[in-house]
Formats: sequence, structure tokens, C-alpha cells
Amino acid sequence: DQQVKQNSPSLSVQEGRISILNCDYTNSMFDYFLWYKKYPAEGPTFLISISSIKDKNEDGRFTVFLNKSAKHLSLHIVPSQPGDSAVYFCAAGSGAGSYQLTFGKGTKLSVIP
Amino acid sequence: DGGITQSPKYLFRKEGQNVTLSCEQNLNHDAMYWYRQDPGQGLRLIYYSQIVNDFQKGDIAEGYSVSREKKESFPLTVTSAQKNPTAFYLCASGPTTVSTDTQYFGPGTRLTVL
Repeated sequence: DQQVKQNSPSLSVQEGRISILNCDYTNSMFDYFLWYKKYPAEGPTFLISISSIKDKNEDGRFTVFLNKSAKHLSLHIVPSQPGDSAVYFCAAGSGAGSYQLTFGKGTKLSVIP
Repeated sequence: DGGITQSPKYLFRKEGQNVTLSCEQNLNHDAMYWYRQDPGQGLRLIYYSQIVNDFQKGDIAEGYSVSREKKESFPLTVTSAQKNPTAFYLCASGPTTVSTDTQYFGPGTRLTVL
């Protein structure tokens, strides 16, 4: 049973346009969410996070939106750059002292020059 | 400089052999984690440890073992009981000061069983 779902395995976007990556979750106990970026044969790097007490968090070109009622979050990248081409993982944690994260399967973003 | 190191980058083993993957961190993080990534899959948790001399099974612990004798080190042994060990293994660490603490990853080890 997948508790964190990224339903789009891949996404192609033109350079300079907006990239929107989506993530859905089923576990109501999740109260914080993270996005990681991963290049092939490397470890994921942390991008941005959001706590359930917020509905938006922004860091430069990256913005994460959280819709708790829909159990949905999205990562917006504006403007998209070729260097953003990577696999993006959504992760969720319950924060109840366990510090565990549950990951989605990832979305491969390709930014076309 | 601070970070998480994993060695080796690539590892080959013969079927039936045990192999140990190294993970070291100098970030002074209390918690450490081992994940496995397979093609087209997310990261699946193998084991985690929130404090020295204590560790817990994750979602796919069968065929793996760990130890946490030092805060900085969390080695993973892939035993011969692991039926499909070929995968990309990722180690992570993170503080445990607040419930929203982030995990930080090492560069990974690609294990191939011949």
C-alpha cells in the first residue's frame, strides 16, 4: 500500500517555463513533507520542506504548496533550467518522534533547452 | 568539511557471500538510516537508528543486518539470505531535535551480485 504517490513517472518542460511536480498521500498522520532532487548514481539532495501548519513555502525558484484537505502537495520550479533535469522525490513524515520518512517513487523531470 | 561518506562507490560480490557497506557521518547527527533504491522505485527503508547501540527494522529488513557502535558509523551487512541484493544503497543521517528534522544522504553504493 503506497502511502506517498507520485503518479507521473516523467515530465518534460521547456526551459524558462514552470515545472509542476505533484504528490499525493494517504496517511493522515503525516505532518511534514519534503522534496528531494536526485541525479543518477548520486544520493538525493534536500530541496525544500513544508510543515502541515503551512500551505506554502518558498525558496528561490522553488515553491511547495500543501493542500491538506486533498492530501496533495506540489513543487513548482520557476523558471525551469536545464540543470533542474533530475528525478524528484516527494517524502512525508509523521513527526511523532520516529523521524522516519516515506518516499514516493519519483518523477523524472527533463528541462528542454 | 562535514558530510556523509559511503564506501565503496561500486561493489561486486558473488552469490552466497556476505558484504558490508560502510557509512560514516561527521555531522553530529543522532539518527542514521539505510535505504535501498531499485529502478523505477522510491527509496525503501531497510534499518534505522536513532541512538548509539539501538536500531530498528524498516520496511524491508529481511536479509540485512546493522550495528551502531559509534555515533558516526552505521554499517550495513547484506547477507546471503537477501534474495535480490543487487540495488543502489543509500545511507542518510539527520538530527532528532525537532519532529520536522530533515535527512541528508550520502552518495550511495551500487551493489551488484554476480
